[in-house]
Amino acid sequence: VQLVESGGGLVQPGGSLRLSCSASGFIFSNYAMHWVRQAPGKGLEYVSGISTDGATTNYADSVQGRFTISKDNSKNTLFLQMSSLRVEDTAVYYCIKTHWPTPFDWLLDQWGQGMMVTVSS
Amino acid sequence: EVVLTQSPGALSLSPGDRVTLSCRASQSVSRNYLAWYQQKPGQAPRLLIYGASSRATAIPDRFSGSGSGTDFTLTITRLDPEDFAVYYCHQYATSPLTFGGGTKVEIK
Repeated sequence: VQLVESGGGLVQPGGSLRLSCSASGFIFSNYAMHWVRQAPGKGLEYVSGISTDGATTNYADSVQGRFTISKDNSKNTLFLQMSSLRVEDTAVYYCIKTHWPTPFDWLLDQWGQGMMVTVSS
Repeated sequence: EVVLTQSPGALSLSPGDRVTLSCRASQSVSRNYLAWYQQKPGQAPRLLIYGASSRATAIPDRFSGSGSGTDFTLTITRLDPEDFAVYYCHQYATSPLTFGGGTKVEIK
């Protein structure tokens, strides 16, 4: 299993950014996927999740209405579109494969190496 | 929201020591959907335990999890030098998914 995030960087408050997670080593379409973030020096915070087929999504209250998760099974890629970014969104964002090949598993199993997103003026 | 409280926040131990980490939930975690993760500096978290007591793939048997309802424990029977890290508990039973604040296990 390999999960490689990209698309992070520095963005101004109010700006937008799209994270991508390229997956390999497993049948991507069989697994739900999630994003979790970690602010510098802080703990882990759940961000969002998506079902195997992309039809069902879930968001933390802190990002609801600003972030959109999506999944392209033909390209084995997970996305997180982030808009109206705030300083408090600054964090390392992890792409995560779930444990069981069920439509919407919640058990966070394999994690990518993480991608830093910095929101600052 | 299920709030997870981990204790202690940090502890200093020596290789070979036995350690027990605690995770208490603000309400019962249904189906014991409680996991433990290990995180080393600059690395992503690694799944150690799921379902409160099942070891993840390739996790050494010196790691064990126990508990049910609101009280859960991660035990490391003999600390290996590579075990010094931060440990997080996590409930995946109820949305929003939540994590404990972590316990840092340091070398004495």
